[in-house]
Amino acid sequence: DAKTTQPPSMDCAEGRAANLPCNHSTISGNEYVYWYRQIHSQGPQYIIHGLKNNETNEMASLIITEDRKSSTLILPHATLRDTAVYYCIVPTDSWGKLQFGAGTQVVVTP
Amino acid sequence: SQTIHQWPATLVQPVGSPLSLECTVEGTSNPNLYWYRQAAGRGLQLLFYSVGIGQISSEVPQNLSASRPQDRQFILSSKKLLLSDSGFYLCAWSVGLAGGLGYFGPGTRLTVT
Repeated sequence: DAKTTQPPSMDCAEGRAANLPCNHSTISGNEYVYWYRQIHSQGPQYIIHGLKNNETNEMASLIITEDRKSSTLILPHATLRDTAVYYCIVPTDSWGKLQFGAGTQVVVTP
Repeated sequence: SQTIHQWPATLVQPVGSPLSLECTVEGTSNPNLYWYRQAAGRGLQLLFYSVGIGQISSEVPQNLSASRPQDRQFILSSKKLLLSDSGFYLCAWSVGLAGGLGYFGPGTRLTVT
């Protein structure tokens, strides 16, 4: 998989937007960027994915830079339930294998 | 809608005993299926993946094996469990990259004693 780099941790105040960065400078033209999160003791949960254009769904927004070398996951109004490890993944295998790195531990505080 | 089932939810097994964990997917056809393991306090490790019936690829050498007897059934097995096999086992499915999203099951928490 294309290597991704994420900060190990970040804090966010409840009700504020959480902006989670991810660098994927070796990404190639046809590779997607996927975001997942894992709440303690649960399986990972799909959040969003994108190729070139910015994407938005009910959970989050994904902003991908024009050169596609980095992206930002935005949680518009963080809640305490958003406390989790967030993973940015660029699967390079056509079978969709997901290789999870260390991710970013996000803690939302009251 | 698609649903993924795993059972059992928790399991305590003695060292040297066999293991069989089952995963089934509903609401989709020809899914890619995956087994992941997460040891306590560690990240997710991909163990096996399958792109079709009888087709299994192993990502890491280990004491485990996987089988796919039916299109939407994926089984993780061991003949003799080791203490190091303890962990949280997750099954996942996808249908490719563009629309293929890794949906994960609820997981099985295995403790080998």
